[in-house]
Amino acid sequence: SQQGEEDPQALSIQEGENATMNCSYKTSINNLQWYRQNSGRGLVHLILIRSNEREKHSGRLRVTLDTSKKSSSLLITASRAADTASYFCATAAMDSSYKLIFGSGTRLLVRP
Amino acid sequence: NAGVTQTPKFQVLKTGQSMTLQCAQDMNHNSMYWYRQDPGMGLRLIYYSASEGTTDKGEVPNGYNVSRLNKREFSLRLESAAPSQTSVYFCASSEWGRGRDQPQHFGDGTRLSIL
Repeated sequence: SQQGEEDPQALSIQEGENATMNCSYKTSINNLQWYRQNSGRGLVHLILIRSNEREKHSGRLRVTLDTSKKSSSLLITASRAADTASYFCATAAMDSSYKLIFGSGTRLLVRP
Repeated sequence: NAGVTQTPKFQVLKTGQSMTLQCAQDMNHNSMYWYRQDPGMGLRLIYYSASEGTTDKGEVPNGYNVSRLNKREFSLRLESAAPSQTSVYFCASSEWGRGRDQPQHFGDGTRLSIL
């Protein structure tokens, strides 16, 4: 079963706009990770946020985590056409050492 | 630096045939994973190997077997392929230690069709 569920399922924005994707999960986690997948390629790790962290930044990416609501958001600022991809959240549960549970993803289209 | 390499990239099988998907990583990672990705869905864990010499079932292990050949290589075998196993298969690896805090590195996938 899917642990993380992303919202929205699909998002279309203009280049230069910000893109926000949300992820909700069900059980207590050790950390939450965001990955990007370009069409026909494997997943690429973007950012990891631990359960005791509330916000993290990496370049144009900003991730927040609210453990009380069991939710996270990924913000991509000043989007570019090259940001067009699917974005997945993945959670590492407290009771599993190595397994990540992936959500179903948000498909982002950035129009030039 | 190749990272995670999967072979083959594409394969078409007939129902009942067997095949082995190969995966190798050159990052000296201890942990390796096999996932499948179906249309419109995220990845589902089939099997994983926390370290050389150990393997464990993931979320959807039925119909599959794995072998951790050495630290670099982790193969996935379909003994008798079924149409429900048509999917894109991804191999990944990660560091040991605080494994839960380590990102996973993915190959580009094997696209498998079973007729």
